[in-house]
Amino acid sequence: EVQLVESGGGLVQPGGSLRLSCAASGFTFSSYSMNWVRQAPGKGLEWVSYISSSSSTIYYADSVKGRFTISRDNAKNSLYLQMNSLRDEDTAVYYCRGELSSGQGYFDYWGQGTLVTVSS
Amino acid sequence: DIQMTQSPSSLSASVGDRVTITCRASQSISSYLNWYQQKPGKAPKLLIYAASSLQSGVPSRFSGSGSGTDFTLTISSLQPEDFATYYCQQSYSTPRITFGQGTRLEIK
Repeated sequence: EVQLVESGGGLVQPGGSLRLSCAASGFTFSSYSMNWVRQAPGKGLEWVSYISSSSSTIYYADSVKGRFTISRDNAKNSLYLQMNSLRDEDTAVYYCRGELSSGQGYFDYWGQGTLVTVSS
Repeated sequence: DIQMTQSPSSLSASVGDRVTITCRASQSISSYLNWYQQKPGKAPKLLIYAASSLQSGVPSRFSGSGSGTDFTLTISSLQPEDFATYYCQQSYSTPRITFGQGTRLEIK
């Protein structure tokens, strides 16, 4: 069974830091590009960051560039998001998402999300 | 950034109805368009990829069409479990993907 399990969310004050983790199982994690996507309360979906399967390519949304850092450890089947200088507008459920397009089809996996609340 | 605009923003329908949701891109995205279903408190679930390909395990009452800038998601006969929010997502500028604002499908 494919699973992506996020952890590390919680309440943090503006200007603070959090590190999110996403543990993968049931698929070949090292073959998948990975993303973080967030959803503010009652709002739509916003892409946050991307990392290629080998970590050679990384992208960030302009809204988080310079404050967030994405990384992965293929040996541990894990994805991370280091979030610094957090702002009120970073309050959201953060989902990790794995994606692979191959001859066998298109694969798209999401975790259940972890809530980050930035508030004083 | 490529902007995605869905219409309508909300929709009321009855079980058995045929429903169509539209999505328009701010520039041509060929067929790089996915459709997701999201239920409250759950992660999005992929329904359609590449504009018209049905994801494995998704009921055949869901279908997608379109290319360029205009796309549609059709549910041929609404079932009780289909009441949810639907999002389109462009992957033309991957990995900088963008989503539509969502269409909330409610029971009439």
